[in-house]
Amino acid sequence: SAVISQKPSRDICQRGTSLTIQCQVDSQVTMMFWYRQQPGQSLTLIATANQGSEATYESGFVIDKFPISRPNLTFSTLTVSNMSPEDSSIYLCSVEDLDRVGTEAFFGQGTRLTVV
Amino acid sequence: GNSVTQMEGPVTLSEEAFLTINCTYTATGYPSLFWYVQYPGEGLQLLLKATKADDKGSNKGFEATYRKETTSFHLEKGSVQVSDSAVYFCALLPRNAGNMLTFGGGTRLMVKP
Repeated sequence: SAVISQKPSRDICQRGTSLTIQCQVDSQVTMMFWYRQQPGQSLTLIATANQGSEATYESGFVIDKFPISRPNLTFSTLTVSNMSPEDSSIYLCSVEDLDRVGTEAFFGQGTRLTVV
Repeated sequence: GNSVTQMEGPVTLSEEAFLTINCTYTATGYPSLFWYVQYPGEGLQLLLKATKADDKGSNKGFEATYRKETTSFHLEKGSVQVSDSAVYFCALLPRNAGNMLTFGGGTRLMVKP
């Protein structure tokens, strides 16, 4: 299994500012995923982050708005840039257990972001 | 593509009532299936999972059986408690590496005393 620590757990930010969310895993993983959960909605994948390469973004998400870093196999950051109230959501990172491909996925506790 | 459809909520039940939340999926191959739960103000927690046809996942009194013939993974609990009030998400994960979870829309359960 994998234990994921996500920071901060919540934040209230002013519009126009940026917030960087950190995701730390207790083991080395190849794939890390960033999701957004808007209020009352399901989870939507933002991007997939591989170590040593640029993140792959899903339709509707762009690197300028959600830059991602993946400096090593245990860590990733997601930045929400130039925030607006519409960015108020829970942001979650997730990793896949490559020892059991297709059978397990782990989530951080999420970052609850409120933009005012 | 892959998709997950689950019943819309909210589902409102009295304590000790029987719970069913329907979930059906569309996928190529044989994905793993999951139920995640999100309690108010908290992140996502894995509730149970099944990795192959006819497997039954169970946890905390909840059960779900992987039905390949009906492409379903319905969540059930015989007697719900107020503390079960949460949002429940059905999800699938393809077998090949590098694929992400596909989630259903979520079902809010409210249990009244």
